Amino acid sequence: DTAVSQTPKYLVTQMGNDKSIKCEQNLGHDTMYWYKQDSKKFLKIMFSYNNKELIINETVPNRFSPKSPDKAHLNLHINSLELGDSAVYFCASSPGLVNEQYFGPGTRLTVT
Amino acid sequence: GENVEQHPSTLSVQEGDSAVIKCTYSDSASNYFPWYKQELGKRPQLIIDIRSNVGEKKDQRIAVTLNKTAKHFSLHITETQPEDSAVYFCAASSTSGGSYIPTFGRGTSLIVHP
Repeated sequence: DTAVSQTPKYLVTQMGNDKSIKCEQNLGHDTMYWYKQDSKKFLKIMFSYNNKELIINETVPNRFSPKSPDKAHLNLHINSLELGDSAVYFCASSPGLVNEQYFGPGTRLTVT
Repeated sequence: GENVEQHPSTLSVQEGDSAVIKCTYSDSASNYFPWYKQELGKRPQLIIDIRSNVGEKKDQRIAVTLNKTAKHFSLHITETQPEDSAVYFCAASSTSGGSYIPTFGRGTSLIVHP
């Protein structure tokens, strides 16, 4: 069984478009995250969502918004895509705060 | 906020040698320190973690040491094998006081030559 899944795996789109990436975890975890990994492999946390509390990394542009329909899902919506948004986006979950994180397989976003 | 520095950025060793990766952190409230391994094209996966109530933890060929006074922790891999080749990330977060949002180091690319 896949613990943390993301769709799509690859996403190619043009500048200015709006897109969403979906994430689901079947581990029963309370906390979910979104990370951006750039071409230099740096892992930057974008959001943390725990028991309906959203913690936002203040450096994330407000074009990015997480949406959680329930505890098992945390989707990422991106408006007005820019070239610099091209990266691999990882979803992750953990059994509460400050614990091991389980990462999804990643979504490679390419903005042309 | 927390700042995590990781060194070296690249580490090249011969098979069978040991490898050591070091991280320093700035927030004295940090008390959870995981290490993740990311193979090429794959997701990061936890390989070992340590909490601030212990100074060392081992799991077969992998060990992590923590010096709270100096605010640094290290990953030690003994008898390296080609399959250890990957990018390794350290991270720091806190259950109280500091940020529970993990701050990651910039990663170390470990290359093990057969």
